[in-house]
Amino acid sequence: DAEITQSPRHKITETGRQVTLACHQTWNHNNMFWYRQDLGHGLRLIHYSYGVQDTNKGEVSDGYSVSRSNTEDLPLTLESAASSQTSVYFCASGPGIAASTDTQYFGPGTRLTVL
Amino acid sequence: QKEVEQNSGPLSVPEGAIASLNCTYSDRGSQSFFWYRQYSGKSPELIMFIYSNGDKEDGRFTAQLNKASQYVSLLIRDSQPSDSATYLCAVNRGGSTLGRLYFGRGTQLTVWP
Repeated sequence: DAEITQSPRHKITETGRQVTLACHQTWNHNNMFWYRQDLGHGLRLIHYSYGVQDTNKGEVSDGYSVSRSNTEDLPLTLESAASSQTSVYFCASGPGIAASTDTQYFGPGTRLTVL
Repeated sequence: QKEVEQNSGPLSVPEGAIASLNCTYSDRGSQSFFWYRQYSGKSPELIMFIYSNGDKEDGRFTAQLNKASQYVSLLIRDSQPSDSATYLCAVNRGGSTLGRLYFGRGTQLTVWP
């Protein structure tokens, strides 16, 4: 069965370290998205991609980067982790074919703690 | 004004009642609308989507869309304790943002036995 996976599921790191969160989907979807979810803020879009070699900034992109070298993967990198980046991170993917049917399917999430 | 507004709740209904969740959006050109359910500690899961004015039913769930009023709702009939979760409304504006969803902050629903 097609799916979307994230790794690691839990991560503890220290301030200033570089961290990469993996996202892998087997849906063959064009679109992939990274969100963070914090109490009081809901889901906030970090970066997204409409296809290989395409990346776009979302509403909270500072301190994060992504690259899309193939259809299946969109890794999220925190260049220098900060305590403010402690959050739950969700990856999502969607077919990117037509607005009327386009939706997103979410991975299980990664809980990141920056000490 | 936020793109998508939802009452944060909590909304509390007894088992067997109808739960009504509401959402308004600011972009009149928005094309499609989605409801996600998120259990505590889990990821959002799609319940249903709607893109035409009127009602769309799927089992105990009915989505209602009124584009003139920029309003979308989700009705849950015969609510069960297992429906207790946060419900997220999301909007696809289409055009250059095709595939990107704008999420509300969610409404927390509690169904008590």
